[in-house]
Amino acid sequence: EAGVTQFPSHSVIEKGQTVTLRCDPISGHDNLYWYRRVMGKEIKFLLHFVKESKQDESGMPNNRFLAERTGGTYSTLKVQPAELEDSGVYFCASSQDLGGYSYNEQFFGPGTRLTVL
Amino acid sequence: AQSVTQLGSHVSVSEGALVLLRCNYSSSVPPYLFWYVQYPNQGLQLLLKYTSAATLVKGINGFEAEFKKSETSFHLTKPSAHMSDAAEYFCVVPIYNQGGKLIFGQGTELSVKP
Repeated sequence: EAGVTQFPSHSVIEKGQTVTLRCDPISGHDNLYWYRRVMGKEIKFLLHFVKESKQDESGMPNNRFLAERTGGTYSTLKVQPAELEDSGVYFCASSQDLGGYSYNEQFFGPGTRLTVL
Repeated sequence: AQSVTQLGSHVSVSEGALVLLRCNYSSSVPPYLFWYVQYPNQGLQLLLKYTSAATLVKGINGFEAEFKKSETSFHLTKPSAHMSDAAEYFCVVPIYNQGGKLIFGQGTELSVKP
């Protein structure tokens, strides 16, 4: 079974440009999460999809970030326009339906390292 | 609010030595606590989990952790380090009833010397 995949693995862009990150979750996983790690800081939650719906986007830093999950399958995270402070590693994770439990194991992708110059 | 604190951003041990990575959680007792590991160039992987059942939890690759309510700790240990244990380790708590979103500790990078 394929794991969570993310594309690209690295991206280097200039300030003001647009970048789109993609995440393909494990097939059949309804829950999809985005996290980010800025250098020197802890990994922080950005948002949570249940199928195609945004369940919680309380961690999104500002309106320059737009996340979508078309048809409840893959997800994209677009940063427009990118700023220097957006540099970091963006992780995607997926999990099965929570089924009334407060937690179900999240499976992580390898991350996308974004560098904004 | 629930949180976890990892003591020591870098830990270095010799091969064969005891591994001890420290984690303390906030005083509101969580129903779950986890350790995740990230090996170089890989995604985060669940190492072990505490689910309010047994306080001593065994995970993969010989790691274990003990939930100690009196000390609000969940330290990760392994009796004998192996070179392949070199990785970054994260103590993690899911936010109860908030869709499973995770709160991470700062991470501890483990180096293993030959």
